[in-house]
Amino acid sequence: GAVVSQHPSWVICKSGTSVKIECRSLDFQATTMFWYRQFPKQSLMLMATSNEGSKATYEQGVEKDKFLINHASLTLSTLTVTSAHPEDSSFYICSASMGYDEQYFGPGTRLTVT
Amino acid sequence: SQQGEEDPQALSIQEGENATMNCSYKTSINNLQWYRQNSGRGLVHLILIRSNEREKHSGRLRVTLDTSKKSSSLLITASRAADTASYFCASLPDTGTASKLTFGTGTRLQVTL
Repeated sequence: GAVVSQHPSWVICKSGTSVKIECRSLDFQATTMFWYRQFPKQSLMLMATSNEGSKATYEQGVEKDKFLINHASLTLSTLTVTSAHPEDSSFYICSASMGYDEQYFGPGTRLTVT
Repeated sequence: SQQGEEDPQALSIQEGENATMNCSYKTSINNLQWYRQNSGRGLVHLILIRSNEREKHSGRLRVTLDTSKKSSSLLITASRAADTASYFCASLPDTGTASKLTFGTGTRLQVTL
């Protein structure tokens, strides 16, 4: 149980285009979903926290107009990277939580912007 | 930065040896968790230790927690080549509401045959 999927697992896009990443909780309802980014050989940095039906809360330094998060249902959250630039290339990981203790992580999406 | 720190940054051992990683965090916590990440993959939850616990075991894993020093350690006994991965600690602050994890900087473990 407690499986989280991400789609796509990897994506290549051109500078200036937008790309959407989906995060789904497959067998549970997630009250909260989190989005992280990870640069090579570095740790995970939280980008934003989203609750179903409400606006996401972004961490300091994360541009909310660039990284659009939509938490449309209790099983789906999406991250859209708008007007992507090469420096947005990274590994994006989502997690989902049913409550307080544990977060269940997706397998990640590798974004490469050319 | 509220990010926790881990040491060593990298650790190379031979199969059969034990591996110890240390984690320090900055705020009062509800619990501390350890995760494993294989290269380019997602995170695998290993073990969770609550603030009122001092030691916990799971298979070949042993985790300790010292809240007075705001530190934790992860011991992997009798390591195997398949244990090669990055290991991260993540602390959940004691805020009383659903809250966000703060990850440590990670330890890259290499287990050689």
